[in-house]
Amino acid sequence: DAGVTQSPTHLIKTRGQQVTLRCSPKSGHDTVSWYQQALGQGPQFIFQYYEEEERQRGNFPDRFSGHQFPNYSSELNVNALLLGDSALYLCASRRDHTDTQYFGPGTRLTVL
Amino acid sequence: LAKTTQPISMDSYEGQEVNITCSHNNIATNDYITWYQQFPSQGPRFIIQGYKTKVTNEVASLFIPADRKSSTLSLPRVSLSDTAVYYCLVAPRDDKIIFGKGTRLHILP
Repeated sequence: DAGVTQSPTHLIKTRGQQVTLRCSPKSGHDTVSWYQQALGQGPQFIFQYYEEEERQRGNFPDRFSGHQFPNYSSELNVNALLLGDSALYLCASRRDHTDTQYFGPGTRLTVL
Repeated sequence: LAKTTQPISMDSYEGQEVNITCSHNNIATNDYITWYQQFPSQGPRFIIQGYKTKVTNEVASLFIPADRKSSTLSLPRVSLSDTAVYYCLVAPRDDKIIFGKGTRLHILP
């Protein structure tokens, strides 16, 4: 049973570009959340998707957007990249909105 | 969401039992207490979750006093591979989880 998977593993972009990160939830999970983790800090909640709708959102600008597909996989899009967007982006999934969250390995984004 | 306070860092030795205490004075009735472990450049790994009293699994134990204003994660007989950051989180099970800075645990040989 595969856990949460994310792609790509690493990514390098330049300022102003756009990026799309992908997440496949653990089998049987239907709720996906995205987090940003800067070096030396705890993960910061970006948003959560359930039934293809954004359910909750953290304190992130509109440059950060997402999508959830019918198979429960999800994408995180970041537009107009800034140097400060460099971080580890984590995806977490859970079986329903009341279950424990399980995290993927993350995507390391570097903005130059 | 309840705010948690935990030590910034701790050192211990291989083979010892390690206890990490987390304070959450404003915990709400529907909040659960969850602990995650994170290694560098990896996603957090779920360790244990509880609501009250004691919970034990194959990895750790979680002790929660009756007032639920604190909790203690207990790791039995730690090894070098237990060196990691440990996060204490308090939230309703249907809500987003907010991470603090965690406790950096360093296991020495």
